[in-house]
Amino acid sequence: NAGVTQTPKFQVLKTGQSMTLQCAQDMNHNSMYWYRQDPGMGLRLIYYSASEGTTDKGEVPNGYNVSRLNKREFSLRLESAAPSQTSVYFCASIGPGAITGELFFGEGSRLTVL
Amino acid sequence: AQSVTQLGSHVSVSEGALVLLRCNYSSSVPPYLFWYVQYPNQGLQLLLKYTTGATLVKGINGFEAEFKKSETSFHLTKPSAHMSDAAEYFCAVSARRGAQKLVFGQGTRLTINP
Repeated sequence: NAGVTQTPKFQVLKTGQSMTLQCAQDMNHNSMYWYRQDPGMGLRLIYYSASEGTTDKGEVPNGYNVSRLNKREFSLRLESAAPSQTSVYFCASIGPGAITGELFFGEGSRLTVL
Repeated sequence: AQSVTQLGSHVSVSEGALVLLRCNYSSSVPPYLFWYVQYPNQGLQLLLKYTTGATLVKGINGFEAEFKKSETSFHLTKPSAHMSDAAEYFCAVSARRGAQKLVFGQGTRLTINP
């Protein structure tokens, strides 16, 4: 059981380039989330998807887009990367019946924008 | 709205000593409270949670936390630190009803000295 899988694990981009971070979960979870982690700031929610076919903005959505491709997959796209988007990105999911907050996390994607 | 403040971005204790990581929260509704742990280069994993009922909750690896409504606190403790406890710890809060989002504190890095 792989849980939450993120790809790629590491990426270096130049300013203005685009890329997509992929996330897939095999736990049949309904809700999925994208967070970014920056030193001294904890985790901040970028976007979330409460169920297949729906997406909503979180705390820091600017510069990002998301797609809930199906129940398993939730991708995060940077259309024109900026140095301020250098961060560690985490995908997470939560299952039906679980109380809000019991999240399962991927291992993270470390993005550097030069 | 919810918010979390973790007192101390870095805590250092000796092996075998008491571990105390402080967390204060703000919530307009009765909260769910969580502690997550992040080991180096890994995603976050749930350490323990408070939902309802007993205010002293026990988690994995000998950690426990006590919900004190009057003090709006949810401090994490462990009687005797082990080298393997070295990690970053995040306190988090969510609303009991209707919330799809989890709000994290900024994290506390725990160092264990031999």
